[in-house]
Amino acid sequence: DGGITQSPKYLFRKEGQNVTLSCEQNLNHDAMYWYRQDPGQGLRLIYYSQIVNDFQKGDIAEGYSVSREKKESFPLTVTSAQKNPTAFYLCASSRQGSSGNTIYFGEGSWLTVV
Amino acid sequence: AQRVTQPEKLLSVFKGAPVELKCNYSYSGSPELFWYVQYSRQRLQLLLRHISRESIKGFTADLNKGETSFHLKKPFAQEEDSAMYYCALWDLRGYQKVTFGTGTKLQVIP
Repeated sequence: DGGITQSPKYLFRKEGQNVTLSCEQNLNHDAMYWYRQDPGQGLRLIYYSQIVNDFQKGDIAEGYSVSREKKESFPLTVTSAQKNPTAFYLCASSRQGSSGNTIYFGEGSWLTVV
Repeated sequence: AQRVTQPEKLLSVFKGAPVELKCNYSYSGSPELFWYVQYSRQRLQLLLRHISRESIKGFTADLNKGETSFHLKKPFAQEEDSAMYYCALWDLRGYQKVTFGTGTKLQVIP
């Protein structure tokens, strides 16, 4: 079954701990993204990567880090420096085609920091 | 910097009434614009894109470069249209950055 898989779906962590969210895609897409979804604020871009071993900061990158060692994988680490980490995190990947660009989303990961 | 603005957080309409979800953007260049929809307990999915000029589930959206708008319209709302709708802009210059608006929750009242 092709698609984007995020894990875990729910995660609880203590304040001050780093946590890594996994995102894997088997769509052979070059570009991958991480968004944070908060009520009333829509989707805000954290990091994105157009190609392996390259990534760019989005609009709210502070307190987050990523890596892109493989085309299929784009893990996001929420560090203790992130001031308000409790949120719903969405991973996405995209393809470019003759019929236009399309971005596909995973099911998301809920992170609660207590 | 590119920006997408959706001025309404919530739009409530009666079944059968027309729907218009507003989206305005700022971008220097020719944008590629999309509407995404998120139904309850489902993942975000593409509804339509401006370059296709298509109608999906009765929805249409026209890119107005003069007004920098990409409003989503449907002549007759259905209960199953109730969902969160996000307008998105694709930056084709360089790093493929995709920016979303804050979303509008459409509530269709039976």
